[in-house]
Amino acid sequence: KAGVTQTPRYLIKTRGQQVTLSCSPISGHRSVSWYQQTPGQGLQFLFEYFSETQRNKGNFPGRFSGRQFSNSRSEMNVSTLELGDSALYLCASSLDSSYNSPLHFGNGTRLTVT
Amino acid sequence: KQEVTQIPAALSVPEGENLVLNCSFTDSAIYNLQWFRQDPGKGLTSLLLIQSSQREQTSGRLNASLDKSSGRSTLYIAASQPGDSATYLCAVRTPYSSASKIIFGSGTRLSIRP
Repeated sequence: KAGVTQTPRYLIKTRGQQVTLSCSPISGHRSVSWYQQTPGQGLQFLFEYFSETQRNKGNFPGRFSGRQFSNSRSEMNVSTLELGDSALYLCASSLDSSYNSPLHFGNGTRLTVT
Repeated sequence: KQEVTQIPAALSVPEGENLVLNCSFTDSAIYNLQWFRQDPGKGLTSLLLIQSSQREQTSGRLNASLDKSSGRSTLYIAASQPGDSATYLCAVRTPYSSASKIIFGSGTRLSIRP
């Protein structure tokens, strides 16, 4: 069974641009969540989707947005990129709407903003 | 506001030793607690999930305990092996009533010396 797939693996953008990251969950998984990992702040929760609806949201500015499609694939978008947005962005999927379903992570997209 | 702490930040032990990793949280109102490992440049691998009503979970050489009243969880690794070297993170899921979020500790970097 294929794991969580995140594309692209690496991305370099310029300050002020926008970026879209993609996440394909494990087949049959319906919940997707996104995280930002930086050396200074560690791992921080961005948002979580189930059945195309955002269920929960972390404490990030509105420049960070996401969506989930009917096939459970998800994208996150960051607009007006800042240097501080450089990070490893991780996506995780879980089986269903239960918060007690374990999270399965992809290997992430490494975003560098110059 | 829920905060999750992991001390120490790094730990080095010889192969074969049993060891305990610590995770503490400030608010006992949690939905569950998960332990993950992260290998360099990779995403997270779920190790154990303990629901709020449970006291411990076991998987192979790993045993995780949860004491909500004291705000503590431990991950016990028996007969450590070099392949156990990784960063170990714990994460708390806050309950529905507070717009559920997942809050991570900063991790313990474990090194097993052959």
